[in-house]
Amino acid sequence: DTGVSQNPRHKITKRGQNVTFRCDPISEHNRLYWYRQTLGQGPEFLTYFQNEAQLEKSRLLSDRFSAERPKGSFSTLEIQRTEQGDSAMYLCASSPRRNYRTGTGGYGYTFGSGTRLTVV
Amino acid sequence: KNQVEQSPQSLIILEGKNCTLQCNYTVSPFSNLRWYKQDTGRGPVSLTIMTFSENTKSNGRYTATLDADTKQSSLHITASQLSDSASYICVVSLRGSNSGYALNFGKGTSLLVTP
Repeated sequence: DTGVSQNPRHKITKRGQNVTFRCDPISEHNRLYWYRQTLGQGPEFLTYFQNEAQLEKSRLLSDRFSAERPKGSFSTLEIQRTEQGDSAMYLCASSPRRNYRTGTGGYGYTFGSGTRLTVV
Repeated sequence: KNQVEQSPQSLIILEGKNCTLQCNYTVSPFSNLRWYKQDTGRGPVSLTIMTFSENTKSNGRYTATLDADTKQSSLHITASQLSDSASYICVVSLRGSNSGYALNFGKGTSLLVTP
């Protein structure tokens, strides 16, 4: 498999429940990103991992959200006590490292198909 | 204020016709500009990527242009097909950054191709 895989594709949950999504990046990509996308908008950055280290977290990522990438491979995004405002498409992307000093490495970001969350 | 503006917001064209989508940006310093196609309920799929030294790139019936001086890009779709119906997102990257904030997304142009 050469693409970014996300599971599940769809999740319907009741308000107040916890949900967890999984992302399997392209195996040789060491960088992994989570985005949230609502209808009619472009993706909004949530968080970013380089290998297993979580290097950045957006202010959009409230304390109900947590993301992990325990062995630098797959990642999980958990939302606790879901709210209706959490309903969105959650996208994962991975990219290879680019060395800006030497100009080596790729620019490519590859997105997964996303997990559509509906909170009812 | 969004640093990447796309127009039009939506577009309806007849199958077989050509169309052009626009992207203006203020992101600086500029690294590269990408066009993605996003089908409903799916993740974005890359169509083209251009660095500041490239001013045109083609991918089948899709041709992207870039004017780094005026900070404008266009995506031209030739001989449209029903399967071209999707959202087209322009993404501009900051130079010298691998940060998650390095990617600046437009809101997309929603294209509908009708028979």
